[in-house]
Amino acid sequence: NAGVTQTPKFQVLKTGQSMTLQCAQDMNHNSMYWYRQDPGMGLRLIYYSASEGTTDKGEVPNGYNVSRLNKREFSLRLESAAPSQTSVYFCASSEETSGRAFPDTQYFGPGTRLTVL
Amino acid sequence: QQPVQSPQAVILREGEDAVINCSSSKALYSVHWYRQKHGEAPVFLMILLKGGEQKGHEKISASFNEKKQQSSLYLTASQLSYSGTYFCGTVDFKAAGNKLTFGGGTRVLVKP
Repeated sequence: NAGVTQTPKFQVLKTGQSMTLQCAQDMNHNSMYWYRQDPGMGLRLIYYSASEGTTDKGEVPNGYNVSRLNKREFSLRLESAAPSQTSVYFCASSEETSGRAFPDTQYFGPGTRLTVL
Repeated sequence: QQPVQSPQAVILREGEDAVINCSSSKALYSVHWYRQKHGEAPVFLMILLKGGEQKGHEKISASFNEKKQQSSLYLTASQLSYSGTYFCGTVDFKAAGNKLTFGGGTRVLVKP
């Protein structure tokens, strides 16, 4: 049981390059999330997927796209990377039992450290 | 708008106590606490719901005052393992979906 896995662990891009960050969970969770964490800052939600087949914008979605490929996988794509997107990216998942009025515990992956030059 | 955490940082000696506060300008339904050690992913500590339910984790407990829109995390008899950055995540009544809004974090360093 690996929990939430992310690839790659580290990545360096040049301005304008594109890349996709991969995330997978093996806990049969319904909801998945992408956050970014800038140095010394808190976590900001980029996109989330409440269930397979649905995605919604979070607080800072500009410059990113997502795909919920299936229940296990949720990818984040940077189409044209910019230095402002230098950050640590965390993927998370949660069970989200239907009918609850508050979020379930979120389980985070180890993060991807992205530098855009 | 993200919740405000205070203090931004605290240094403790092993065995000392500390309080971390999380305040919001919005009416809150629930408050969630996470701890992140340096270079690692955040790890869930506890959830507090509207109604003042108080939760505990090891010697870490928390309270939620919905009238003040504030939650406090209590580190009692701190241990070296308590070092890390503590984040509160809030859910307000008008939030759409199961989204958390995280505060900026409080860095805690426990020294021997």
